[in-house]
Order: sequence, then C-alpha cells, then structure tokens
Amino acid sequence: GESVGLHLPTLSVQEGDNSIINCAYSNSASDYFIWYKQESGKGPQFIIDIRSNMDKRQGQRVTVLLNKTVKHLSLQIAATQPGDSAVYFCAENNSQGGTSYGKLTFGQGTILTVHP
Amino acid sequence: SAVISQKPSRDICQRGTSLTIQCQVDSQVTMMFWYRQQPGQSLTLIATANQGSEATYESGFVIDKFPISRPNLTFSTLTVSNMSPEDSSIYLCSVPGLIYNEQFFGPGTRLTVL
Repeated sequence: GESVGLHLPTLSVQEGDNSIINCAYSNSASDYFIWYKQESGKGPQFIIDIRSNMDKRQGQRVTVLLNKTVKHLSLQIAATQPGDSAVYFCAENNSQGGTSYGKLTFGQGTILTVHP
Repeated sequence: SAVISQKPSRDICQRGTSLTIQCQVDSQVTMMFWYRQQPGQSLTLIATANQGSEATYESGFVIDKFPISRPNLTFSTLTVSNMSPEDSSIYLCSVPGLIYNEQFFGPGTRLTVL
C-alpha cells in the first residue's frame, strides 16, 4: 500500500537493535498517552498506553516513558524486528471527566524502518 | 477485538462530486469515530457518531461537508460532499475497545480527488 509517512520523521535501525521513538505533547491536562502502530495500507493498531500519573510502563518488548515536566513521551522497542517497520503515532486522551471518552488527539508520527 | 470493514477501500473522484464511505463493525458499539489522515500527516478526528443522536463534530469540520449517518449499532457512513483536491485523504472509522484507550480502526478509505 501507499505510505502515509511521506513527510514524517524517520528512524532506521538494524534488526536486533533497540529503537526509541519520541513524541512531544502539548496538553498537560491529558489523562492518558497512547502509542499506535500503523502498517502500510492498514489502520492504526494499539500498542500500549500510560496513565498521566505514571512515568513508565512496560509491555512485551515495548516500554513507554512519560516525562510530564517537559511534556515528552517515548516508546522503546527492544530487539527490533523487520515486522516492527511501520509508522508510530503517539496520541493523547483528555477524558474531561468522561465527557470526551475515546476522543484521541494524535501526534505527528515517526516512520520506523528495520533493516535485516 | 472488533473487526471493522470499510467500503470502498479506495476511490478516485471528480471535483464537485460526493462520496459516501461505509463502516461496518462485527459487534454492536455505542460510539464510532471518523478520522481523516491527509497525505504525510497524522490522524485528525472529524466527528463522533452515536446511534440515535446527531454526530458531534470537531472544530474545523461541519455537518454540511461531512454528513454522517448512524442507523444502527454496527454501521455508519461518512459522506464527503462537494469534494475538492484538498479532500484527498485516507478516511478511517474506529470503535472503542474494552481497554480504555484502545481503539480498533478500519483499514481506511483512500480518496483521491482530481
């Protein structure tokens, strides 16, 4: 499928390396921060989220770090594999007490390319 | 997880015409979301479609340009009206998952307006 990442930042890594994808956010009132993965020709797929009162959360091969002081979010992928090649988006959710449930604000996105 | 399909998967349209995009979910859901992803850009929420009520549009999007229908709990349509080349984008629908921040996205409809 056609890439949607023509103008997005890029990160190229070798298979087996660790990858770090960064994201800056703007809304200090956001409750949750989420990472999505979008493969070519597909819709985004949820990877992991972190609540605003946490600074680190680990999943399977992925770790998300949240630095609220500088409004920075990162996704670390361990032992990156060719199947990890995709566009990665951060997203924010400000639920506003439940009135904005599910409304996500997506960040710019980063193209990750993993070379075998 | 929810399985979402969209029709058409892609289309090339002439300026001034309208296109209706369908979104079908394999389970009943209260909320459905429509997003736009312009070339080389991230996703922007167009509107939230709730069954039995009018869609709620985000700033910069209006019902006359993007009318939405939500006739039942498994289906929604988004119409892109009076299209111009600036409407060339991927349009995606999504539904919330059981995990609070997890949304399931359809594969998208790639629209090109000439």
